[in-house]
Amino acid sequence: GESVGLHLPTLSVQEGDNSIINCAYSNSASDYFIWYKQESGKGPQFIIDIRSNMDKRQGQRVTVLLNKTVKHLSLQIAATQPGDSAVYFCAESGNAGNMLTFGGGTRLMVKP
Amino acid sequence: DAGITQSPRHKVTETGTPVTLRCHQTENHRYMYWYRQDPGHGLRLIHYSYGVKDTDKGEVSDGYSVSRSKTEDFLLTLESATSSQTSVYFCAISPGDRRGYTFGSGTRLTVV
Repeated sequence: GESVGLHLPTLSVQEGDNSIINCAYSNSASDYFIWYKQESGKGPQFIIDIRSNMDKRQGQRVTVLLNKTVKHLSLQIAATQPGDSAVYFCAESGNAGNMLTFGGGTRLMVKP
Repeated sequence: DAGITQSPRHKVTETGTPVTLRCHQTENHRYMYWYRQDPGHGLRLIHYSYGVKDTDKGEVSDGYSVSRSKTEDFLLTLESATSSQTSVYFCAISPGDRRGYTFGSGTRLTVV
């Protein structure tokens, strides 16, 4: 069945550097994607989303890139800060309903 | 998380005992979801509700039941807990927009 997965389980970056977190999806019918951030002991929080009719979307210090040809999604965090340390995961939706399918997560560790 | 609370936050129970987890919202959202989060699996949907007394199964519903007698409360019951149900359980709410998921802080359940 359809699945959403992540390439790297752990990513360690130096404070101030840019971070890139990747996600692969297999459902070619997916038309909507979200990145979530989950801090320790908390529930996931929305970061940024993108629809399939776009290939790039920018937020505050974050950018999501979508490559539909290879079914790949990435989250770029500029000038990574210690507060960015968390687990990040992508989610996709491939229908008109309200359902999301979540990936397994990547842990981002920011070294001071 | 604003507008959504889960209880209890932590619970240890014995195999074979019934357990009920509660999700309470103050947002008057139509949709409510129960997920479990396990290493390597990300968030997996157990059950969801699209209105009072309207519920449906997710991908990992075996061994779980739910009830929604009021808009604000969504209960998840493990009729006879097993060790495989040791997990972190998250509730989420949504007004019907895929973008608008809000997650609770989670319940860590340990079945011994």
